[in-house]
Amino acid sequence: GEDVEQSLFLSVREGDSSVINCTYTDSSSTYLYWYKQEPGAGLQLLTYIFSNMDMKQDQRLTVLLNKKDKHLSLRIADTQTGDSAIYFCAETNPWAGSYQLTFGKGTKLSVIP
Amino acid sequence: GAVVSQHPSWVICKSGTSVKIECRSLDFQATTMFWYRQFPKQSLMLMATSNEGSKATYEQGVEKDKFLINHASLTLSTLTVTSAHPEDSSFYICSARVKTGTGDGNTIYFGEGSWLTVV
Repeated sequence: GEDVEQSLFLSVREGDSSVINCTYTDSSSTYLYWYKQEPGAGLQLLTYIFSNMDMKQDQRLTVLLNKKDKHLSLRIADTQTGDSAIYFCAETNPWAGSYQLTFGKGTKLSVIP
Repeated sequence: GAVVSQHPSWVICKSGTSVKIECRSLDFQATTMFWYRQFPKQSLMLMATSNEGSKATYEQGVEKDKFLINHASLTLSTLTVTSAHPEDSSFYICSARVKTGTGDGNTIYFGEGSWLTVV
């Protein structure tokens, strides 16, 4: 079945850039999402990208998609302590008849002051 | 952005009782809602998919008689944990897909989650 892989931990210094990587196996993935989860809270949609795009930028967030390598990354510029959270990569292929998301296990981002 | 509201945010119930969790899309219509369960330090586990007006589709291993899902309208889905036991204690999260054809169609938004503790 489909699989989404992420590294489990990332530690960066405040003010530096963070890059969270994700790989997926389903070549028919159409929508790819990044969600943020703070401790004890639900998921917050950060951004999403369609498979016909290579890059999407939204303020401090930049999403890069390499469809050939099935690699997705989320770059957070000028990382702040408030960015400390778990970041989930997810993919879906609605043309398969469902909008079920397949999630990675999440990357815990720790920001060092 | 669109808002999905879950209620209650946390609930404590006695073993053997039932508890209902609501998931509402506040400013959009959601034809499909998803219910997830999350164990500590783990990713989300999809429990079931519910489409408005039809029966929910449960994932393998999820007891449909124990986790009752009702999707009565385009803005409300409920999850009822029946005869709850301590092992049902978990974080339950719902998500809602924006109705296709609207400006934000195909996007999925999540609720804030509900902590269930069964004592």
